[in-house]
Amino acid sequence: GQNIDQPTEMTATEGAIVQINCTYQTSGFNGLFWYQQHAGEAPTFLSYNVLDGLEEKGRFSSFLSRSKGYSYLLLKELQMKDSASYLCAVLDTGRRALTFGSGTRLQVQP
Amino acid sequence: DTGVSQNPRHKITKRGQNVTFRCDPISEHNRLYWYRQTLGQGPEFLTYFQNEAQLEKSRLLSDRFSAERPKGSFSTLEIQRTEQGDSAMYLCASSLGQLQETQYFGPGTRLLVL
Repeated sequence: GQNIDQPTEMTATEGAIVQINCTYQTSGFNGLFWYQQHAGEAPTFLSYNVLDGLEEKGRFSSFLSRSKGYSYLLLKELQMKDSASYLCAVLDTGRRALTFGSGTRLQVQP
Repeated sequence: DTGVSQNPRHKITKRGQNVTFRCDPISEHNRLYWYRQTLGQGPEFLTYFQNEAQLEKSRLLSDRFSAERPKGSFSTLEIQRTEQGDSAMYLCASSLGQLQETQYFGPGTRLLVL
């Protein structure tokens, strides 16, 4: 089975940097995804890591350490529109379905 | 807009009724997934198609649930004899396959069972 943990809620200030952590335990690993989800909307793809290291894409970066079962999503220059839930999801070896964490609700304050 | 569409967007039904949802994936994507999401939780996997073949089903998918993808394009998810516990957002996603694993989600169908 799989176990994915991420903080339930975080608060940050507009213009700041925030790091959202995700730890996972899986029987196999074929990649880790981050999705953004605004209230009442569908998840939107942010990043995909399959190898260790940092992937940067504009204001968003994602890091993966497979040996530690750990990932983080880094959001820079926070904007009010970044207030949303951020979902960490793991793709297990041999399967095609994603297993999601419960999500981290980020509140960006002025 | 990811290119994945779902209909209807909202459905209110009475307990015991049957409901059917439709998903149209991105046209060149051969993999299609159904997930269910309840408030405050991440999406939970229900079932997965590779072209028209249903290759995986979650234990969450009781015998009241059935899904089809008859021509390897759009898919339908039917829930028979709905229960209040079926109230949730039903999400469809598609991916290209062939080592392109990123799943793109549709807007979802929000089901309320009264």
